[in-house]
Amino acid sequence: GNSVTQMEGPVTLSEEAFLTINCTYTATGYPSLFWYVQYPGEGLQLLLKATKADDKGSNKGFEATYRKETTSFHLEKGSVQVSDSAVYFCARGAFGGKLTFGQGTILTVHP
Amino acid sequence: DTAVSQTPKYLVTQMGNDKSIKCEQNLGHDTMYWYKQDSKKFLKIMFSYNNKELIINETVPNRFSPKSPDKAHLNLHINSLELGDSAVYFCASSQEGQTNEKLFFGSGTQLSVL
Repeated sequence: GNSVTQMEGPVTLSEEAFLTINCTYTATGYPSLFWYVQYPGEGLQLLLKATKADDKGSNKGFEATYRKETTSFHLEKGSVQVSDSAVYFCARGAFGGKLTFGQGTILTVHP
Repeated sequence: DTAVSQTPKYLVTQMGNDKSIKCEQNLGHDTMYWYKQDSKKFLKIMFSYNNKELIINETVPNRFSPKSPDKAHLNLHINSLELGDSAVYFCASSQEGQTNEKLFFGSGTQLSVL
C-alpha cells in the first residue's frame, strides 16, 4: 500500500548545526509530498510541499527535493535555531485530500 | 480570527460515557477532516467530508460518528468511550479536497478516558 517512512528520532542538535530528516514513500504514480511541523501544544502547519518530480519546496530556510528515482523527500536546513524545536512530519497526498503521514521526528535544538 | 477552531481543548471523561468534539472553519473550504494522534505522535485520518458528504471513512469503529450540519462544521461524536480512545484529535480543512492541497489544522482536542 501507500506509506511514508521517516527517520526515527528524537534528533538533538546544537544551534547552527546542519539538519537532515530522511523521508521515503511508496506509492503508485507521483503523489504530492509535504512536510508539516507541529510546535508544542499546537496543530500541524504546512512547512513546504512539492507536487512533481524534481520540484524543490522551501520555506523558513528548510528545503526538500522530490526525488522520483529514490522515492525520497528529505528535509534539510543549513543552520537550525532553538525555535526550530518541534515535531516534523513527512506526508504524501492521496484521494480526497487525505494525508498519509510518517511517524514524526522530534527535533530538539540546544543553544 | 482562528481559521480552524475546535472545542473543547481538553476533555477528561469516564469509560462508557458519550462525548462530542466540535470543529468549525471560517476559510470557506469545502472539505473537512478528523485525524487521531496517538501517544507516540502517529497521525491517522479518521474521516473526511466534502460539502457535507462523507468521502473517507477509514475503518473507524462505529462508536465514532461524524456529523456535518454545513460545510463549515464537522463534529465528532463518540459513544461508549474506551481507554484506547485517549488521544489528541485534530480537525482540519482544505479548499477542495485535492491531493496537492495544503491542510489547515485546528489546535487539537486532548481526550483522556479514565
